[in-house]
Amino acid sequence: QKEVEQDPGPLSVPEGAIVSLNCTYSNSAFQYFMWYRQYSRKGPELLMYTYSSGNKEDGRFTAQVDKSSKYISLFIRDSQPSDSATYLCAMSANWGAQKLVFGQGTRLTINP
Amino acid sequence: NAGVMQNPRHLVRRRGQEARLRCSPMKGHSHVYWYRQLPEEGLKFMVYLQKENIIDESGMPKERFSAEFPKEGPSILRIQQVVRGDSAAYFCASSAQGTDTQYFGPGTRLTVL
Repeated sequence: QKEVEQDPGPLSVPEGAIVSLNCTYSNSAFQYFMWYRQYSRKGPELLMYTYSSGNKEDGRFTAQVDKSSKYISLFIRDSQPSDSATYLCAMSANWGAQKLVFGQGTRLTINP
Repeated sequence: NAGVMQNPRHLVRRRGQEARLRCSPMKGHSHVYWYRQLPEEGLKFMVYLQKENIIDESGMPKERFSAEFPKEGPSILRIQQVVRGDSAAYFCASSAQGTDTQYFGPGTRLTVL
C-alpha cells in the first residue's frame, strides 16, 4: 500500500465549476501538507501549505486537512482553463528540510 | 531572481552510458533535494544534500546512482551504466536554511535508448 493515495483522474470539468481534489494517507506521523501544481513538462510549483488539521484559503483555492480521517482536499472555486494542470499532494512528518512524500497526481482539465 | 536551474533539460543516453544531471539551487539556498518522476506517477524522493554532505539518501537505489553537492558549483546526480528503467524526469528542489518550503526546478528528462 502506498503511503499517499491520489486518484490520477483524468478529471474534466466546465469552466466556472468548483473542483475538489483529494488525497488519503496512511502514515499518522504526517503533519505538514502541501499542494503543488505541475503544468505539462514543467516543474511542480507550490500552491498551498497547511499544518495539522483545519482549513486554509488563498484566493480561489482552499486546502482542508482532516487528520482524524487521514484525508486532505484542495478546492478550486470559479475554475479557469488556466487551472488545467496536474495537481500533486505532498506531505511530511516534521518541519524543516526533509523529504516530501507525494501522491500520484490528478490530471485536471477545465473546459471553456 | 533566478529560480532553481537544471541542465540539461533533455538527455539521451544509450544503455551502459553514464548520465550526469546538474542542479543549481536558488540563490541563498543551501539544501538540495532530488526526486524522480516516472511516467504517470508522482515524484519519488531520492536524496537530500547540504553543501559537501549527504543528509538523507534513503530513496537512492543502492547501485549505479550517486549524488554530490560540492562547496563550489552545482549539485550533481550521477547515474552509471544506465538502463531503460532509468528513463524518467529528474527534478531538483532547493530550500533555504531554517525553512521547509521546497522550490522545484524544471527537471531533466532522461531517455535511455
